[in-house]
Amino acid sequence: NAGVTQTPKFQVLKTGQSMTLQCAQDMNHEYMSWYRQDPGMGLRLIHYSVGAGITDQGEVPNGYNVSRSTTEDFPLRLLSAAPSQTSVYFCASRPQTDWEKLFFGSGTQLSVL
Amino acid sequence: AQKITQTQPGMFVQEKEAVTLDCTYDTSDPSYGLFWYKQPSSGEMIFLIYQGSYDQQNATEGRYSLNFQKARKSANLVISASQLGDSAMYFCAMREGVSGYSTLTFGKGTMLLVSP
Repeated sequence: NAGVTQTPKFQVLKTGQSMTLQCAQDMNHEYMSWYRQDPGMGLRLIHYSVGAGITDQGEVPNGYNVSRSTTEDFPLRLLSAAPSQTSVYFCASRPQTDWEKLFFGSGTQLSVL
Repeated sequence: AQKITQTQPGMFVQEKEAVTLDCTYDTSDPSYGLFWYKQPSSGEMIFLIYQGSYDQQNATEGRYSLNFQKARKSANLVISASQLGDSAMYFCAMREGVSGYSTLTFGKGTMLLVSP
């Protein structure tokens, strides 16, 4: 049982480049979300989804796009990377109504130069 | 205003002693949930304990207990008999409402160091 899988684990980008952080879960969870973690800031919600075709913005959505075409996958797109997007990114998923079972991926460390 | 406040950036405790990590929250929703997560140096997020706003008793999970004081809007984590492996960053988080659309808001964290 793989749980929540994030790829890549590390990535270095140049300012202006685009990339997609991948997140996949094999638990048939309806809810998936993306957080970023910055020193001294805790985790802040970027975007979330409550099912295929349904997404919504979190606290810090600017500069990021998401889509949810399948239950399993919830990719996070950076269209034009900026140094301010240097962070550790976590994907998390859970069943729709079971908050105690929020599973996190292992994180992606992104550096934008 | 911050929804979750963790006022202790860092805490030190000796092995085998108990330690309390503070968390206060702010919400007007009568239905909410409070969580504590542990993040060791390896980076993964580990769920520790959950307390619902309507739960009558304080939550406990092994050496972890949540001191829930609703009137004071505090949800402190108590770790009994600290171990070296407890050294980590600890995050308090809150869910407001019961909808499937509810999101989790995190505090800024407290770094706990356990010394021998």
